[in-house]
Amino acid sequence: DQQVKQNSPSLSVQEGRISILNCDYTNSMFDYFLWYKKYPAEGPTFLISISSIKDKNEDGRFTVFLNKSAKHLSLHIVPSQPGDSAVYFCAASTVKSGNTGKLIFGQGTTLQVKP
Amino acid sequence: NAGVTQTPKFRILKIGQSMTLQCTQDMNHNYMYWYRQDPGMGLKLIYYSVGAGITDKGEVPNGYNVSRSTTEDFPLRLELAAPSQTSVYFCASSIAGGSYNEQFFGPGTRLTVL
Repeated sequence: DQQVKQNSPSLSVQEGRISILNCDYTNSMFDYFLWYKKYPAEGPTFLISISSIKDKNEDGRFTVFLNKSAKHLSLHIVPSQPGDSAVYFCAASTVKSGNTGKLIFGQGTTLQVKP
Repeated sequence: NAGVTQTPKFRILKIGQSMTLQCTQDMNHNYMYWYRQDPGMGLKLIYYSVGAGITDKGEVPNGYNVSRSTTEDFPLRLELAAPSQTSVYFCASSIAGGSYNEQFFGPGTRLTVL
């Protein structure tokens, strides 16, 4: 039972254009969402997050949008740079479930930004 | 600060062998986690610890054991390796629990069981 899904295994965009990575979830109890970025041979690193009380969070070139009714979130990268080429994981958690910090991850989307 | 370190980086095991994956963090974090990532899949939580002496199961604990005798170390033990345990294993830590505390990941251990 995949509670967090990233249905696009890969995405290729041109440098300077917008990258949009999508994520869907099924568990309505999720109330906090995160994006992690992973380079080859490295562990994931935190990128940006959003609470369910918001519908948008922005940090520099990265913006995450949350549509609770559709159980959908997306990560926008504008403008895309070659250094953004990596695997992006969407993750979700339930704040109310206690103080464990357990995350449920999606399968990941490999982004390639072409110069 | 080295952050979260994992050893070894790579390992090949035969079916039935055992091994311990080491994880150490130097950030004085209370919470530590073990994840596995199978090809084309997201990370799945194996075990986690909220402090020295306290551990609990995650989504996929079968075939693994953990211990947490110190704040810094959180080793993962495979007792009878099986091909289904072929995966990349990531250790992570956070200062505290809860969703708002960023988890810092180690570089991973790539394990192959033949």
